[in-house]
Amino acid sequence: QVHLVQSGAEVKKPGASVKVSCQASGYTFIDYVIHWVRQAPGQRPEWMGWINAANGNTKSSQEFQARVTITRDTSAATAYMELSSLRSEDTAVYYCARQYDSSGFYFFDFWGQGSLVIISS
Amino acid sequence: DIQMTQSPSPLSASIGDTITIACRASQSINRWLAWYQQKPGEAPKSLISGSSRLQGGVPSRFRGDGFGTDFTLTISGLQPEDFATYYCQQYYDFPPTFGQGTRVEIK
Repeated sequence: QVHLVQSGAEVKKPGASVKVSCQASGYTFIDYVIHWVRQAPGQRPEWMGWINAANGNTKSSQEFQARVTITRDTSAATAYMELSSLRSEDTAVYYCARQYDSSGFYFFDFWGQGSLVIISS
Repeated sequence: DIQMTQSPSPLSASIGDTITIACRASQSINRWLAWYQQKPGEAPKSLISGSSRLQGGVPSRFRGDGFGTDFTLTISGLQPEDFATYYCQQYYDFPPTFGQGTRVEIK
């Protein structure tokens, strides 16, 4: 079955960067798009961006465009999300999620377990 | 961005009850609406896509409905494992956006 396994929790200082990984299994990695969604404590999920695992094309939300880098390693079936210039408001659980199909519609059928990122001086 | 607004929150109910959660979009989103269930400390789990299509393995007591701007999620015969927070999400327009969530709690 489909599994997305993410890297562990991180504590970072303001101004630093964090890189979260998402290793996929149970399906052909390059056949799907991987999205990144974050959720601050007690808040609704917030979409950040995606990567086409086949060709590496990416698209991100205007809010994160300047600070987020999404990459993938097809040999490891792993996607990565790096967020730079961290500030306290970036404290959140970061999820990767698989896009349901290739239609271009952003519906997410499987999610990783989440990676907690805490920004603290 | 399209704004998604859910009601009520929270929602208090008993086991066996039938409950309905509403989700309203700030503009028409056709049928491009999904529902997710999230339990504390867990990732969201997909329940419904396309307003009414149940994902594999989701019990038939979950039903989604709606078109345009107004949508509902109905759970018939609430089970102990259904107490959770439910989010709607539109994927009609970029960027995809979520409702603020409806927490279903035990009365």
